[in-house]
Amino acid sequence: QQQVKQSPQSLIVQKGGISIINCAYENTAFDYFPWYQQFPGKGPALLIAIRPDVSEKKEGRFTISFNKSAKQFSLHIMDSQPGDSATYFCAAVGANTDKLIFGTGTRLQVFP
Amino acid sequence: DSGVTQTPKHLITATGQRVTLRCSPRSGDLSVYWYQQSLDQGLQFLIQYYNGEERAKGNILERFSAQQFPDLHSELNLSSLELGDSALYFCASSVGGGAGETQYFGPGTRLLVL
Repeated sequence: QQQVKQSPQSLIVQKGGISIINCAYENTAFDYFPWYQQFPGKGPALLIAIRPDVSEKKEGRFTISFNKSAKQFSLHIMDSQPGDSATYFCAAVGANTDKLIFGTGTRLQVFP
Repeated sequence: DSGVTQTPKHLITATGQRVTLRCSPRSGDLSVYWYQQSLDQGLQFLIQYYNGEERAKGNILERFSAQQFPDLHSELNLSSLELGDSALYFCASSVGGGAGETQYFGPGTRLLVL
């Protein structure tokens, strides 16, 4: 049962472009939405996270946009760089639990 | 480097066997989580321990079990292994285990069942 749907599965962007990854969730009990970045051979690492009481959070080139009514959130990577090439996972956490429910992942490739 | 260590890095074994994966959390972290990453199932939460006690269970098979020891390291035991158990197994840790706390992932153990 996939509670967090993520798209696209893969994304190719030119250096300097904007990368956009979208996620949608079903469970309204989720109240914390982190994004994880995973490089080949490594474990996932927290990139940025948001709570549903704000509609946007920005950290450097990375921005999360959150639409509570639509139950959707997205990651925007501005000025994408080859070093951003990795797999990105959105996730959700419920109010009464700590377990991360992950999306299926998006493999991002940024070409120079 | 997240500060979470996992051993071994790679493990090759045969069907029907039993293996033990080990995880040492970051210094000071009380919660340990286990996740399985496979091509068809993605990243799936298996189980969480907090200060030695089981706190949450996910999609963990009955053939799998885990424990957290007094020194807070954790072991994941996989028995009666099947081909489909081949996957990357990640351990993560957090300070207290509260919702919204950052989970720090280890480098993973790659298990191959032949």
